[in-house]
Amino acid sequence: AQRVTQPEKLLSVFKGAPVELKCNYSYSGSPELFWYVQYSRQRLQLLLRHISRESIKGFTADLNKGETSFHLKKPFAQEEDSAMYYCALRIYNQGGKLIFGQGTELSVKP
Amino acid sequence: DTEVTQTPKHLVMGMTNKKSLKCEQHMGHRAMYWYKQKAKKPPELMFVYSYEKLSINESVPSRFSPECPNSSLLNLHLHALQPEDSALYLCASSQDRGVGVNEQFFGPGTRLTVL
Repeated sequence: AQRVTQPEKLLSVFKGAPVELKCNYSYSGSPELFWYVQYSRQRLQLLLRHISRESIKGFTADLNKGETSFHLKKPFAQEEDSAMYYCALRIYNQGGKLIFGQGTELSVKP
Repeated sequence: DTEVTQTPKHLVMGMTNKKSLKCEQHMGHRAMYWYKQKAKKPPELMFVYSYEKLSINESVPSRFSPECPNSSLLNLHLHALQPEDSALYLCASSQDRGVGVNEQFFGPGTRLTVL
């Protein structure tokens, strides 16, 4: 079965603290994974894709096929990072559809 | 233009009304998607269009009828909706739907309320 699991509904940290948002997936093929972010009253936007191994806004995510995980990390959280974060798995042979995890709401306190 | 636009922003309709949602992109993308998002929930795929042809229908009730008049436009026609259909309807587009990492660009959504 194709599934994305984000175990934490809400993650609350203080500014400057490290952050890790967990994502695990279940997929028999070669995964294409993304992190999307939805700031308050803004559209869903792509944050990271696994293939590019880039760092955006200080966030990184590494695909671990052995643990079927794609956790999102940032060493020092900022208040402006407060948002809803979705991990998504792309199924290319089903129209390229995205299967989203349930989302983790990150709250960064001053 | 690197955005997906959606109109209207908000829509309130009765159960007997007929209305349409519109989505537009001018990025030359050949795949377009409709998602439904309930409050505090992730988006759920409804339809996929690839090269202006419907390629995926995720068992969506027939009261939702998608249309792709050309490569830049995607419509969602609504008829005889139920109150439980109230949600944020998101449109997205990507370069293609095939193999390879094709990121999806999302529009701001239409917030639909069915009375």
